[in-house]
Amino acid sequence: GAGVSQSPSNKVTEKGKDVELRCDPISGHTALYWYRQSLGQGLEFLIYFQGNSAPDKSGLPSDRFSAERTGGSVSTLTIQRTQQEDSAVYLCASSLHTSGELFFGEGSRLTVL
Amino acid sequence: AQTVTQSQPEMSVQEAETVTLSCTYDTSENNYYLFWYKQPPSRQMILVIRQEAYKQQNATENRFSVNFQKAAKSFSLKISDSQLGDTAMYFCAFMKRIGPGGSNYKLTFGKGTLLTVNP
Repeated sequence: GAGVSQSPSNKVTEKGKDVELRCDPISGHTALYWYRQSLGQGLEFLIYFQGNSAPDKSGLPSDRFSAERTGGSVSTLTIQRTQQEDSAVYLCASSLHTSGELFFGEGSRLTVL
Repeated sequence: AQTVTQSQPEMSVQEAETVTLSCTYDTSENNYYLFWYKQPPSRQMILVIRQEAYKQQNATENRFSVNFQKAAKSFSLKISDSQLGDTAMYFCAFMKRIGPGGSNYKLTFGKGTLLTVNP
């Protein structure tokens, strides 16, 4: 596609439910990042995929968070047993290995009631 | 660990005037990249400008320019002839290569500066 696509754009869920957020990166981009942006805060790194390398999961805040990237393309971020503090905008970005520049999607706004 | 500090949570400027957003960072690395990203109310982050640390010349992109002071670890963004469309959150970011052969990237963002351009 022309840009990074994320879905859903908005998600409202009840505390304790599981949610899945999807990211479709720019075709050919080998690197994919997930960030979390809470209200009034900067971007908090969650996880990074680069080609076939093991992902850098150092930013995942708890074991309720997981992510996978299938076939080196689409990625899914899963949050299990959601809690109110998980409410945030989840941003996905992709980049070419060599350029360093990140191209962002519009984000998925998660609201946990 | 790298840290990126943006000391101005909010700023405002009159249309057509010039404004400078500050950013400092802390690193022991010698080779790295610096970026300014813009996030308008539409939420999508877009790259404004980038600077390679090995380049002494300051990067410029039309009305946007940076003042890169490597020794001081400072990377400020100057916006000239401010326009209403420049109203956005601006994030400074630091990137370094990590892993075997520098094949991976580590990107750290500051907390952002909310810039409002007033008519």
